[in-house]
Amino acid sequence: KAGVTQTPRYLIKTRGQQVTLSCSPISGHRSVSWYQQTPGQGLQFLFEYFSETQRNKGNFPGRFSGRQFSNSRSEMNVSTLELGDSALYLCASSLGTSNEKLFFGSGTQLSVL
Amino acid sequence: GESVGLHLPTLSVQEGDNSIINCAYSNSASDYFIWYKQESGKGPQFIIDIRSNMDKRQGQRVTVLLNKTVKHLSLQIAATQPGDSAVYFCAENRHNFNKFYFGSGTKLNVKP
Repeated sequence: KAGVTQTPRYLIKTRGQQVTLSCSPISGHRSVSWYQQTPGQGLQFLFEYFSETQRNKGNFPGRFSGRQFSNSRSEMNVSTLELGDSALYLCASSLGTSNEKLFFGSGTQLSVL
Repeated sequence: GESVGLHLPTLSVQEGDNSIINCAYSNSASDYFIWYKQESGKGPQFIIDIRSNMDKRQGQRVTVLLNKTVKHLSLQIAATQPGDSAVYFCAENRHNFNKFYFGSGTKLNVKP
């Protein structure tokens, strides 16, 4: 069974630009969560999607958004990029119930210059 | 945010020794816990989980202990191998679907 796939693996953008990251969950998984990982703040929850609906949201500004498609694939978008948005963005998938293990992809490393 | 990552503590052990990695969690309402291993350039990899109605759970070479009284979680790795070198994170869930709060991580160095 293929794991969680994230594309692209690396991205370099400049301040003010916007970016879209993609995530394909494990087949059969209906929940996709996004996390931001930085050396200073560690792993922080961005949001979770289930059945094309945002089910949970972390404490990030509205510049961070996401969506989920009918095939459970998900995208997240960051608009008006800031230097502080440089991070590893991780996608995790799960079956969709509560309190269950998450399976992570390798992440997208975003650098904002 | 809920997860604060400052200086990453490091645990150095000799190959073959047992390792114990500790984690203090913040909320007594948390009822599900996971240990993840993250190698350089990769995403976190599931190791073992435990629910709040248990005190101990064992896997292959790993054991997780949960002390709800002092809100403490530990991961024990038996006969540590060089391939165990990585950063280890604990994560807690407060019965809030898949919104997990991660600890700041511990780097494990295994010396051959």
